[in-house]
Amino acid sequence: DIQMTQSPSTLSASVGDRVTITCRASQIINNWLAWYQHKPGKAPKLLIYKASSLENGVPSRFSGSGSGTEFTLTISSLQPDDFATYYCQHYNSLWTFGQGTKVEIK
Amino acid sequence: QVQLVESGGGVVQPGRSLRLSCAASGFTFSSFGMHWVRQAPGQGLEWVAVIWYDGSNKNYADSVKGRFTISRDNSKNTLYLQINSLRAEDTAVYYCARDQGWGGGSPRPLDYWGQGTLVTVSS
Repeated sequence: DIQMTQSPSTLSASVGDRVTITCRASQIINNWLAWYQHKPGKAPKLLIYKASSLENGVPSRFSGSGSGTEFTLTISSLQPDDFATYYCQHYNSLWTFGQGTKVEIK
Repeated sequence: QVQLVESGGGVVQPGRSLRLSCAASGFTFSSFGMHWVRQAPGQGLEWVAVIWYDGSNKNYADSVKGRFTISRDNSKNTLYLQINSLRAEDTAVYYCARDQGWGGGSPRPLDYWGQGTLVTVSS
């Protein structure tokens, strides 16, 4: 089975910072990679799919990149609403999440 | 607008069964694959199961295979998850989520989620 590993597990940042989260797959996944934002008590939200496609309605400060086994989510200028936990996910016939990255206030 | 509302959670004794429901609205339910995802306390998201738009195909995470059954009633716009032989490690918030496609074919992510229903397994 494919394993997804995110880093870091926790990230402390300030409003306005550029933030990058990395996700590594245990084998090549052909860009079937999504990123989600999750806040406590709320529904997770799809941000990016197919590694770099921005979901409708998601602010353009979010971007995804990468290919093969290594992928990144970048928030170009962190906003107060962006403090949350972020998950990468490989999707194919099974759907596998990374362990999550919590973005907290510095 | 797309709405997914889970129900059926609660406190259940180990070994008992439970059926979760997810009421869908705001889209053509019978055209989309549907998923269940769970989050144990203090843990990350774990994908549980998928069902194709017409119910013809299902797939499960290894951790729940044989005890969980996903199903749907397209006439009622409702998704279900039957959980048998509940264990303490099944304690989690259970989310239903819509597949961006019909569930098969080209792989798709989960584009809409409900807010979840909490299942607590305890004696």
